[in-house]
Amino acid sequence: RKEVEQDPGPFNVPEGATVAFNCTYSNSASQSFFWYRQDCRKEPKLLMSVYSSGNEDGRFTAQLNRASQYISLLIRDSKLSDSATYLCVGANSGYALNFGKGTSLLVTP
Amino acid sequence: GAGVSQSPRYKVAKRGQDVALRCDPISGHVSLFWYQQALGQGPEFLTYFQNEAQLDKSGLPSDRFFAERPEGSVSTLKIQRTQQEDSAVYLCASSLGPGGYGYTFGSGTRLTVV
Repeated sequence: RKEVEQDPGPFNVPEGATVAFNCTYSNSASQSFFWYRQDCRKEPKLLMSVYSSGNEDGRFTAQLNRASQYISLLIRDSKLSDSATYLCVGANSGYALNFGKGTSLLVTP
Repeated sequence: GAGVSQSPRYKVAKRGQDVALRCDPISGHVSLFWYQQALGQGPEFLTYFQNEAQLDKSGLPSDRFFAERPEGSVSTLKIQRTQQEDSAVYLCASSLGPGGYGYTFGSGTRLTVV
């Protein structure tokens, strides 16, 4: 069983919609969490870090619930350019990242 | 350089052939990582270097996989006697320090074993 689990999707949403991705992690020792974005045939790129207090960056909001070992990403007012795979990531050893399988998002006109 | 550079971009190998994949990290980045990403999966950790020291190689799938970073800069991932299950994208990342922050990934090498 992977340490980080997420729904692979795909999520097909119209432009302007709000979409939420969730993931769970099994290792309670995990200390840091991130959302990465990966475009087709490209490398993963950091989208945002995730904190218990929640953090927001424009249309993107990330939240961590340590008690439930649950991480979320909310995208408001979806754009066509948001179409990508979103990877939920935990880090527990201080250097290695544990990636989920990724959730595929397709925003349609 | 400005980013993490990997070469070759694509590699096709016949089963049983040895391959070497190169990673040139961002100048001054102490930490270097190799990940393997199979089709439809997230990247999986292979190994970690701090300068020239390989501190963790627990993710290397078999003894056919070997990585080195002799001068603490460029790293090479070598796969001996390639098998079809080795087909994947091999991603290199570097960062100033550990902790998962400040990671920069290279574009990867797509290895296809036929």
